[in-house]
Amino acid sequence: SQQGEEDPQALSIQEGENATMNCSYKTSINNLQWYRQNSGRGLVHLILIRSNEREKHSGRLRVTLDTSKKSSSLLITASRAADTASYFCATEPLNTGNQFYFGTGTSLTVIP
Amino acid sequence: DSGVTQTPKHLITATGQRVTLRCSPRSGDLSVYWYQQSLDQGLQFLIQYYNGEERAKGNILERFSAQQFPDLHSELNLSSLELGDSALYFCASSGGPRDFDEKLFFGSGTQLSVL
Repeated sequence: SQQGEEDPQALSIQEGENATMNCSYKTSINNLQWYRQNSGRGLVHLILIRSNEREKHSGRLRVTLDTSKKSSSLLITASRAADTASYFCATEPLNTGNQFYFGTGTSLTVIP
Repeated sequence: DSGVTQTPKHLITATGQRVTLRCSPRSGDLSVYWYQQSLDQGLQFLIQYYNGEERAKGNILERFSAQQFPDLHSELNLSSLELGDSALYFCASSGGPRDFDEKLFFGSGTQLSVL
């Protein structure tokens, strides 16, 4: 069964605004990762946050993790039209030996 | 370019047929994963191989099977195809020397259309 669920399913913002998407998951994890998918193409890894970390930054990306609530958020600051894509969270549950379960994704549209 | 190669890019076939999807992982990666992406089901984990051995099974149907060969390439076999099997099938690889904080590198996928 799927491990993660993203929210919202779709998000439309103006260029320059910030975009926030959320991920909730069901079981304890080793880490949580965010991936990006341009239409019909393979997913690309964006950022990984470990279960003992609460916040991580990478360029315009900020990820938070709340293991007590089993949730994560991805913030993209100063969005650009090129950020238009689907974003997925992926969790690696404990003791599964590098298995990764993806959510349903958030479709982000950035309007120029 | 992720370094993961999937062939073919597109496949059109009829119900009841059998197809084979092929994946070459990134150089040095020992793990291969197969995922199915459809509009209503999101990205579903099918199966994982590590260094030639099956490591984990997800939502893989009995009509589907996979294997990883000694050269680490993998094949996903889909048989008795149904209309509902139409989807984008992704291969991903990971697994360098470390066994933690692994991230996946995805191929560009095989779009399967069952008519």
